[in-house]
Amino acid sequence: KAGVTQTPRYLIKTRGQQVTLSCSPISGHRSVSWYQQTPGQGLQFLFEYFSETQRNKGNFPGRFSGRQFSNSRSEMNVSTLELGDSALYLCASSLARELNTEAFFGQGTRLTVV
Amino acid sequence: QKEVEQNSGPLSVPEGAIASLNCTYSDRGSQSFFWYRQYSGKSPELIMSIYSNGDKEDGRFTAQLNKASQYVSLLIRDSQPSDSATYLCAVKGSGSGNTGKLIFGQGTTLQVKP
Repeated sequence: KAGVTQTPRYLIKTRGQQVTLSCSPISGHRSVSWYQQTPGQGLQFLFEYFSETQRNKGNFPGRFSGRQFSNSRSEMNVSTLELGDSALYLCASSLARELNTEAFFGQGTRLTVV
Repeated sequence: QKEVEQNSGPLSVPEGAIASLNCTYSDRGSQSFFWYRQYSGKSPELIMSIYSNGDKEDGRFTAQLNKASQYVSLLIRDSQPSDSATYLCAVKGSGSGNTGKLIFGQGTTLQVKP
C-alpha cells in the first residue's frame, strides 16, 4: 500500500511569491491535515480537510489556505511568501476524523524563502 | 492554549539500556495519544498509539498512559544506536474545535551510545 505522497520535496521561492504544495493521502483515507515544522516552533497545525471541506484551522494568517479534491488529494497554498515561511510542510493522512484514528505523515516539502 | 510538554533532552543512554521518554498534557479531555519518531531531516513516523489507561506493548516499545495524572510515557527496551532520533508526543484534543488536530510536544532527542 502506497504511503502519503507529497510533492515537490524541495522548493526555493522568493519573498512575495506564492507556492502550492500537494499531498496524496493513503488510498482510502479521507482526512488530510497539514502541519508546519520549524526549529523554533516545532510542529504546528495548519488545517484539516475531510470530504472536501475544511473542518479545522490553526492559528495561521489568511495567506495560508488549502483545499481538498473529491479523490481526497489536497493542496495547500501560501501567498505573499515571507522569510519566516521557510519550514518543512508536512501532510498527514487519516482514515477518518474519529479520535482513535492514527495519522501518517508524508515525506514533507521543504520550503526555503529567500 | 492546549499544551503538550516534553523534556527536550538530549537523553543519552548506553546501548542495551531502557530509554524512558515522558510527556505531560494540559487538556484533561484528551482521548488519543501518539508517539512519533523523527530522524534528522526526515518526517515523523508513527510508532505507538494509546487510548486507554495502562500499558501497551509493541516489540521493544511500551507506551504508558495515566489520564488522571495527564501523563504519557514511552519506554524503549534494549535501546539500539538506530533508535537515536527525536521522539514526538502528540495528543488529539477534545471538543469539536480540536477534532482531527494533533498537538505536538517539542520532542525529546534520544542518543543511544554504542
